[in-house]
Amino acid sequence: KNEVEQSPQNLTAQEGEFITINCSYSVGISALHWLQQHPGGGIVSLFMLSSGKKKHGRLIATINIQEKHSSLHITASHPRDSAVYICAVLAYNTDKLIFGTGTRLQVFP
Amino acid sequence: NAGVMQNPRHLVRRRGQEARLRCSPMKGHSHVYWYRQLPEEGLKFMVYLQKENIIDESGMPKERFSAEFPKEGPSILRIQQVVRGDSAAYFCASSPLDGGLGNTIYFGEGSWLTVV
Repeated sequence: KNEVEQSPQNLTAQEGEFITINCSYSVGISALHWLQQHPGGGIVSLFMLSSGKKKHGRLIATINIQEKHSSLHITASHPRDSAVYICAVLAYNTDKLIFGTGTRLQVFP
Repeated sequence: NAGVMQNPRHLVRRRGQEARLRCSPMKGHSHVYWYRQLPEEGLKFMVYLQKENIIDESGMPKERFSAEFPKEGPSILRIQQVVRGDSAAYFCASSPLDGGLGNTIYFGEGSWLTVV
């Protein structure tokens, strides 16, 4: 079993829909990152969380440390949001990131 | 303010040749991390370096792979005698001196290695 699990693996949506991507992890962490990887492959950091909730534009990320779970929400989705979204955790007391396998999102007009 | 720069973006090598991938961290960052993304798989940690030091290389294959981050110049990931299984995307990330990865990560655009 992977230490970081994401669901769903694939997600399709119509433009305007509200989207949720989930991440569960089994190790103690000091931080969790949400990353975005576009076709063509560059990776962009969206959020770094250690508690609570963060919002940036139409993106919202939450984390529940007790339940070892994080969610990434996209409100009013747009075709340009189509990408792979990757959850990565910084294991406690290390500098190693452990990555989920990603959620492939396609938003259709 | 230039981001993390990786080159080459795409590299094709024949089996048995050497591949060298370079990474220049963001200005002011002295911690560099290399990750590998195999086709249809998630990213995996390879090595963590600071200037002139390898801090953690627990994710590096024991043979043929090496990494360095000299006092001057970019970090280099070197793969000797490449095999088809080395075909992957190699990503570099950097972080500031006092942040480790408890801060925002800055990734490069990746280097895609294809071994033919």
